[in-house]
Amino acid sequence: DTAVSQTPKYLVTQMGNDKSIKCEQNLGHDTMYWYKQDSKKFLKIMFSYNNKELIINETVPNRFSPKSPDKAHLNLHINSLELGDSAVYFCASSRSTRNAEAFFGQGTRLTVV
Amino acid sequence: SQQGEEDPQALSIQEGENATMNCSYKTSINNLQWYRQNSGRGLVHLILIRSNEREKHSGRLRVTLDTSKKSSSLLITASRAADTASYFCATDGTGANNLFFGTGTRLTVIP
Repeated sequence: DTAVSQTPKYLVTQMGNDKSIKCEQNLGHDTMYWYKQDSKKFLKIMFSYNNKELIINETVPNRFSPKSPDKAHLNLHINSLELGDSAVYFCASSRSTRNAEAFFGQGTRLTVV
Repeated sequence: SQQGEEDPQALSIQEGENATMNCSYKTSINNLQWYRQNSGRGLVHLILIRSNEREKHSGRLRVTLDTSKKSSSLLITASRAADTASYFCATDGTGANNLFFGTGTRLTVIP
């Protein structure tokens, strides 16, 4: 079974649309993350959730909102998509926020046209 | 920014040679981790070294950490074509609750 799974794997959409990316982990981890990887492979932390509470909300536009219905899920909602949102988005989870390895999903390639 | 930086940005070697990648970071850390990313895939954890450790081994991987210089190195010995990937260091800052990734080193191992 896949430890961290995110759907969809590819997402092509028009500017101005609203979209969601789903993430689920079956590892029983307490912390989940969303990262954005740009075309230069630069990985930027967007959000992290610990026990369903937002720990740190990095300086991302408020068009992006994480939603966690339970400890195993952390979905990413994006409103009013812009061209610059095109990137690969990775979900990850870890046992805790300190001294723990992170397990990554396979990524969602978002293309805004 | 707590972002780290890897050096070199790209490295190309022959199969069987050793590959060394370096990572520099800016803040105090609890630990430093190395990850590998194959093209089009997610990141895979390789090794974690705590701030009070200086060296750690795992198979063909050797990681060193120098907290006085805020730097780490990843050595892959006897490289294989399958080692071709991007390698990232990640730090867990003492005042932060996240993993901050470096810019990555793209390693190409030529068969």
